[in-house]
Amino acid sequence: SAVISQKPSRDICQRGTSLTIQCQVDSQVTMMFWYRQQPGQSLTLIATANQGSEATYESGFVIDKFPISRPNLTFSTLTVSNMSPEDSSIYLCSTWTSGRQETQYFGPGTRLLVL
Amino acid sequence: DAKTTQPTSMDCAEGRAANLPCNHSTISGNEYVYWYRQIHSQGPQYIIHGLKNNETNEMASLIITEDRKSSTLILPHATLRDTAVYYCIVRVAGGGSEKLVFGKGMKLTVNP
Repeated sequence: SAVISQKPSRDICQRGTSLTIQCQVDSQVTMMFWYRQQPGQSLTLIATANQGSEATYESGFVIDKFPISRPNLTFSTLTVSNMSPEDSSIYLCSTWTSGRQETQYFGPGTRLLVL
Repeated sequence: DAKTTQPTSMDCAEGRAANLPCNHSTISGNEYVYWYRQIHSQGPQYIIHGLKNNETNEMASLIITEDRKSSTLILPHATLRDTAVYYCIVRVAGGGSEKLVFGKGMKLTVNP
């Protein structure tokens, strides 16, 4: 399995500001994923981040709003830019187990409230 | 869009087996069925996955029909801590990302 940690665990932000969420994995992994879970909803994939290449964004998500960094094989960041109350969600980092590509594990999530 | 359909909710008595159904009638031959659960506001927890054979681990059993169009997750002795939203997911492979696409899931409530 993969152990995934996220920082911060929660935050309250003012509209118009930006927040960067960090994701750390305890082993080297090829792909990392960022999901959003709006209140009462299921998980929606934002983007896939591979080390050494540009992130691939899902329909409805753009790099200007959700820039992603992937500086090495154990770390990634997601920035939520120019936030509005609609960005209030849980943001989750995820990855496949290293070497097997069979099971996807999730971090504990970052709970964001935008006022 | 998610390729699975699940009931919206289900109740189960503590100590009894919980059988959670899932339909995936358009599943492709090389697609796996995955089950996750999410306990209130926590990150989703992996339970089990399978391709066509039945699978069992320390958490649950997965029964996949012979035509692979449906499956059942079995929690043999449900406890109160099994109350959660359960997601049945068909693994979608696209552009090499092997991403998981979540549907709405099913809320399982285990009652004392």
